[in-house]
Amino acid sequence: NAGVTQTPKFQVLKTGQSMTLQCAQDMNHNSMYWYRQDPGMGLRLIYYSASEGTTDKGEVPNGYNVSRLNKREFSLRLESAAPSQTSVYFCASSGALQGQGETQYFGPGTRLLVL
Amino acid sequence: AQKITQTQPGMFVQEKEAVTLDCTYDTSDQSYGLFWYKQPSSGEMIFLIYQGSYDEQNATEGRYSLNFQKARKSANLVISASQLGDSAMYFCAMSHFGGFKTIFGAGTRLFVKA
Repeated sequence: NAGVTQTPKFQVLKTGQSMTLQCAQDMNHNSMYWYRQDPGMGLRLIYYSASEGTTDKGEVPNGYNVSRLNKREFSLRLESAAPSQTSVYFCASSGALQGQGETQYFGPGTRLLVL
Repeated sequence: AQKITQTQPGMFVQEKEAVTLDCTYDTSDQSYGLFWYKQPSSGEMIFLIYQGSYDEQNATEGRYSLNFQKARKSANLVISASQLGDSAMYFCAMSHFGGFKTIFGAGTRLFVKA
């Protein structure tokens, strides 16, 4: 049971380059999320997908796009990378039980450096 | 506005002792869930414990318990019998029932001393 997987683990980009971060989950969860983690700031939500076929903006969506490819996969794209997007990116998924909050399970993260 | 506050940037605890990590939250909603996650130096985020706003008893998971005081809007994590492997960053988080936007605190770094 792999849980949530992310690729790549590390990436170095030059300003202006584009890239796609891949995420897949095998827990049959409906909802998936992309976060970024910066020092001293906890995690901030970039985009989420409540269910297959839907995506919505989170707290910090500017400079990013997402695609919910199917129930398992949720990708994050940087069209023109900027140094401010240097961060650790986490993908997560959740499947709420009725009457409970959405416990999220996280992938291992992608460390991105934009020069 | 929803907000999670963790006032302790760093904490030290002696091995085998108990430690409490503080978390306060701000929400006007009545239906919400509170979570704690652990992030060791390897970087992954590990779910520890969950407390629903309507749960009358404090949540427990092994050595972890959540001291939920709804009137004070606090959800402190208690780790009993600390182990060296408990040294990590700990995040408190909140989401509302039926909602998908989980907000996280800035975290508390716990150091367990041998």
